[in-house]
Parts: sequence; structure tokens; C-alpha cells
Amino acid sequence: EAQVTQNPRYLITVTGKKLTVTCSQNMNHEYMSWYRQDPGLGLRQIYYSMNVEVTDKGDVPEGYKVSRKEKRNFPLILESPSPNQTSLYFCASSSAGTRYTGEQYFGPGTRLTVT
Amino acid sequence: RKEVEQDPGPFNVPEGATVAFNCTYSNSASQSFFWYRQDCRKEPKLLMSVYSSGNEDGRFTAQLNRASQYISLLIRDSKLSDSATYLCVAYISNFGNEKLTFGTGTRLTIIP
Repeated sequence: EAQVTQNPRYLITVTGKKLTVTCSQNMNHEYMSWYRQDPGLGLRQIYYSMNVEVTDKGDVPEGYKVSRKEKRNFPLILESPSPNQTSLYFCASSSAGTRYTGEQYFGPGTRLTVT
Repeated sequence: RKEVEQDPGPFNVPEGATVAFNCTYSNSASQSFFWYRQDCRKEPKLLMSVYSSGNEDGRFTAQLNRASQYISLLIRDSKLSDSATYLCVAYISNFGNEKLTFGTGTRLTIIP
């Protein structure tokens, strides 16, 4: 089954404690992206990757890091989480040519609370 | 100004009614447009693409007006299962970055 998986699905942590949210896709997609979703602000892109070892900042990259060492995996790292990073996070992947289909496949989401 | 703007709603509509959502975009370089559907606490999923000529998929009709930078979604004969948040999305390619910009969504509730 074609899918994007994220782990963990729910996480409560404390300020400053480093964490990693994993993302994996089994569709051999080149393009992967991380979003955060907040009430009234919608989905905002954090980082994206066009392919292995190619990553770039999205609209809200501050406080986050990513890496793309393998095509299927795109982990999101919060080196020192803060309460303003409490949010719902989605990983997404798509093949080249998103412009024509608009189809990004989203993971189920990770609800992060930083206290 | 947000790149993609939508009326957040909520829209509470009786079952069987027709409902229309509107969306405007600010970047005239946006190349293509889409509607996504997001159920409560779930991931967004592509509903349909939007073409200048308009396109229809069953009870759903999408329309694009490039001159007015305006996108619409019409749902006819609404069902309880149509209750969700509908996200308007614009695609732009800029120096190799293919980016989808999402609106904040319009929440729809179909009432029995």
C-alpha cells in the first residue's frame, strides 16, 4: 500500500529537549516536505527536499532542521523545542510534476505539545 | 496579505443543498490550482484540480478565473459525508522549487 508514515503520532515534551519526528514514504517520490498546521494559519511549509541530499527552507524554517540521506526518509529535528512549536505536523511526498496533478501524499500527522 | 485566502466559515448547510466556496490568490505567477479536503484531525487529501475551463467530478465543480485571481468549488446535493474542511491550494514553481501554498481552509458541516 502506497503511504507516508510518521512517528510518533503524538508527543508531549519539555522545552529544550531535542526530538526527531520520522517520516518515510514507499512510493519512490523525489519530493518531500514538512508542514505545520496551526488554527487560523493553515498549512505552512517548514522545509522541503527535491531529492537525496537536497534540502531547502520553506516559509517557517526557524527552530527546525531536516536531512535527506535516503530517498524514502525525511526526518524533522527540533534541536531545542519551544512552546511556540506546539503544533500539528505533516510530512508529505510527491513525484516530479506536482504542478500537473497537485497530488501530495500526506502522512497521518504528528501532534506535538511542548511545555 | 495571505497568498491564498479563503472564508474560514463555518458553513452549516442542510443535507441536499448546494454550497459554494470561494478562494482568491495574490501571486499571479501561480500556475495551477487544486482543492484539498481535510477531515477533522486527519491529513489533507487531493479532491480535484481546477482548470480555466472548469471541471466537474460528480457532484463537485471547480472553476478558475485567472483575470480575477479567483477559484471556486461548488458542491451539489450535499451529503453528510461532505462535512470537512476544504483547502484551496495554489501551485508555483520558482527557481526549481515546486511549492503548494495552502489556504487556511473553509469548514463545512452538513446538517441532517
